[in-house]
Amino acid sequence: EDKVVQSPLSLVVHEGDTVTLNCSYEVTNFRSLLWYKQEKKAPTFLFMLTSSGIEKKSGRLSSILDKKELFSILNITATQTGDSAVYLCAVFRMNNNAGNMLTFGGGTRLMVKP
Amino acid sequence: NAGVTQTPKFRVLKTGQSMTLLCAQDMNHEYMYWYRQDPGMGLRLIHYSVGEGTTAKGEVPDGYNVSRLKKQNFLLGLESAAPSQTSVYFCASSSTLQGYEQYFGPGTRLTVT
Repeated sequence: EDKVVQSPLSLVVHEGDTVTLNCSYEVTNFRSLLWYKQEKKAPTFLFMLTSSGIEKKSGRLSSILDKKELFSILNITATQTGDSAVYLCAVFRMNNNAGNMLTFGGGTRLMVKP
Repeated sequence: NAGVTQTPKFRVLKTGQSMTLLCAQDMNHEYMYWYRQDPGMGLRLIHYSVGEGTTAKGEVPDGYNVSRLKKQNFLLGLESAAPSQTSVYFCASSSTLQGYEQYFGPGTRLTVT
């Protein structure tokens, strides 16, 4: 059975700290891995990773994929209170019976305290 | 552009009642999706559509039906609501099924008593 597991489930840090969020996956027909940030409403797209070892970076956020060990990490440096959110990892895979599908992990809830 | 919109934003149903959730997108996307989100379980795909007039089952389709009569709209129906369908429902759309970004609506919070 395909699965995507995120850790930790929740995390509380103080402003300025650096955090690392983890996502491991076991899926067949892997295509790519995506990270989303979800505040109070809809998830918003952060990164899409397709190749191993190539870091994607956007400001204080960065992410990398390891297709051999089947995991990805999302790093946030110099955290701010605005980074408080649920971070979702999703794997895009080819499903022969149902087309391409996204399978989401359960999310990591990050709280950044002032 | 409004992006992806959902109506209603909130709804309370009694067990056995029916309702339809409407999703609309103005980005001319071919693909549309319905997810439900429950605490600690991320998002799970209910049904999706690869184009007007087509629908397909996702991970948790039981108890739901969908229709895509127009490219911009994707409807999710509950024929006989059950308390287990209490959840937050998100609609999303994308321009391809190649792993590219899915754009999400603001969600509908449904409570079934």
